[in-house]
Amino acid sequence: NAGVTQTPKFQVLKTGQSMTLQCAQDMNHEYMSWYRQDPGMGLRLIHYSVGAGITDQGEVPNGYNVSRSTTEDFPLRLLSAAPSQTSVYFCASSYSRDRHYGYTFGSGTRLTVV
Amino acid sequence: EDQVTQSPEALRLQEGESSSLNCSYTVSGLRGLFWYRQDPGKGPEFLFTLYSAGEEKEKERLKATLTKKESFLHITAPKPEDSATYLCAVQGSNYKLTFGKGTLLTVNP
Repeated sequence: NAGVTQTPKFQVLKTGQSMTLQCAQDMNHEYMSWYRQDPGMGLRLIHYSVGAGITDQGEVPNGYNVSRSTTEDFPLRLLSAAPSQTSVYFCASSYSRDRHYGYTFGSGTRLTVV
Repeated sequence: EDQVTQSPEALRLQEGESSSLNCSYTVSGLRGLFWYRQDPGKGPEFLFTLYSAGEEKEKERLKATLTKKESFLHITAPKPEDSATYLCAVQGSNYKLTFGKGTLLTVNP
């Protein structure tokens, strides 16, 4: 049981480049979400999904896109990277957001935009 | 807007020295208050969910309590392996999870 798997673990991008952060879970969780964590700030929600084919914006969605074609995968796309997107990104999943069982987080992707 | 404030920002204890971490919150329609532990370079790990004032949960040396305005994470006789950042989060009526900035706990042997 792998839990939540994020790839890559580290990435350096140049300003203007695009990339996709991958997230996969094998727990049959319906709810998946992306957070960013910056020094001196709490985790902030970027986008979330309550099931395959359903996505919605979180607190800081600008510059990011998501899709949810399967229950297992929830990739996060950076359209045109900016230095302000330098951060650590975490994917999290849960059985449901209606009854909170506790999110399972991935180990994170550390992204640097230069 | 939901808000979570954790204090202190950092806490240094000697092994065996009990203490408490505080999480004060404002939220519209509390669905749950959550505690997570985060080790350096890793994602947060779920510890507890508290749903209503007066509720308590325990796990090994940790005990979480909840009132209408704050939660405490009590650490009894901590060990060096308890060193981590402890995060508090609340879920309001909109299902959104709002996290605090965390308390960095260091337990010296």
